[in-house]
Amino acid sequence: EPEVTQTPSHQVTQMGQEVILRCVPISNHLYFYWYRQILGQKVEFLVSFYNNEISEKSEIFDDQFSVERPDGSNFTLKIRSTKLEDSAMYFCASSAFGPDYNSPLHFGNGTRLTVT
Amino acid sequence: KNEVEQSPQNLTAQEGEFITINCSYSVGISALHWLQQHPGGGIVSLFMLSSGKKKHGRLIATINIQEKHSSLHITASHPRDSAVYICAVKKYSGGGADGLTFGKGTHLIIQP
Repeated sequence: EPEVTQTPSHQVTQMGQEVILRCVPISNHLYFYWYRQILGQKVEFLVSFYNNEISEKSEIFDDQFSVERPDGSNFTLKIRSTKLEDSAMYFCASSAFGPDYNSPLHFGNGTRLTVT
Repeated sequence: KNEVEQSPQNLTAQEGEFITINCSYSVGISALHWLQQHPGGGIVSLFMLSSGKKKHGRLIATINIQEKHSSLHITASHPRDSAVYICAVKKYSGGGADGLTFGKGTHLIIQP
């Protein structure tokens, strides 16, 4: 069964450094998402992406964050200057159709980001 | 106030028991998702519901739109069912983000 893959599984970085988290969504999916989960807390929506542009973003997704689909397969989340509070598990997800069509979401296994 | 509330927060049961996890929400939704999060952190989608009931193997999910309530049931529970079960809702378009709004999860342990 096709799956969403994320790399790396664990990333350690120093405060102030830039990080790029990578995701390969399911190949025929059109909608892509990033979520994060701070340790011990609930999962939170960051951003949705469709047709090579951001569809919607949450309050968390400030100017330090950006997303990109640099080629036909990868979907990346960049954090420009990491802060300690960015430490979290970041999940990529994809769906065949948009959120208004209640299309099932497929999640990757996550990237655990640790900022020291 | 959380828009999605789950109960119980923690549940420990013996193998074979019938398990019920509850989810209540306070917003208008177009769909409700039940997700399973394994100890390693990965998230798997179990069900997506907009009405009625769905069944997959030993798992059953129900939703009552009028009462804004959903339940996830596990029959003949097994230690491998031990995980965090998360309820998440898709708010009506225009009422919120494209993304899902999550509950805090129910941590289920099934003892042999």
